[in-house]
Amino acid sequence: DVKVTQSSRYLVKRTGEKVFLECVQDMDHENMFWYRQDPGLGLRLIYFSYDVKMKEKGDIPEGYSVSREKKERFSLILESASTNQTSMYLCASSLPSTGTSPLHFGNGTRLTVT
Amino acid sequence: EDKVVQSPLSLVVHEGDTVTLNCSYEVTNFRSLLWYKQEKKAPTFLFMLTSSGIEKKSGRLSSILDKKELSSILNITATQTGDSAIYLCAVRKSNYQLIWGAGTKLIIKP
Repeated sequence: DVKVTQSSRYLVKRTGEKVFLECVQDMDHENMFWYRQDPGLGLRLIYFSYDVKMKEKGDIPEGYSVSREKKERFSLILESASTNQTSMYLCASSLPSTGTSPLHFGNGTRLTVT
Repeated sequence: EDKVVQSPLSLVVHEGDTVTLNCSYEVTNFRSLLWYKQEKKAPTFLFMLTSSGIEKKSGRLSSILDKKELSSILNITATQTGDSAIYLCAVRKSNYQLIWGAGTKLIIKP
């Protein structure tokens, strides 16, 4: 089974702090994604990566950056955390495909910025 | 603008009931429709539908896509308390881009 592991389940940070969310997958998937999930809004794509060192902006990249130095690891960085970034963050991975490969998700990191 | 709308937003039923969850979409370049179940943590994959009219089935869960009506339904028969979850629908329009609905929160009362 695919395993996607997010380093923290819960995280509390202060406004202005730099925050790192880590995600590791063990299935050699090319594609990796970071989403945030807020009630009533569904999942919104922040960034995705289709290969090492490659990254593309999603729908809501402002205030975030990402890093993919190794195939199995995809990090989300909040350069200066703000209260409106309090959310559930979900990492996912998938095989490259023409739309036939489902996404496999990690357990999520619930981030609270105070 | 692409959108995926799920209904109802929430649903409370008793154990043993049958439920039908709806997902309608307006998405350009449709490739597939996916259903996920989310309990307290990671969304877990249920079904992927690409062809209209072909039912996918897994135990008590089944799903079908209607491309003419731009919609899909997820049926759960003989519900159990373990079916309580948020059910997410997403439409894939490219390798990387999925449009997600807001989810249906299903509560099964014993």
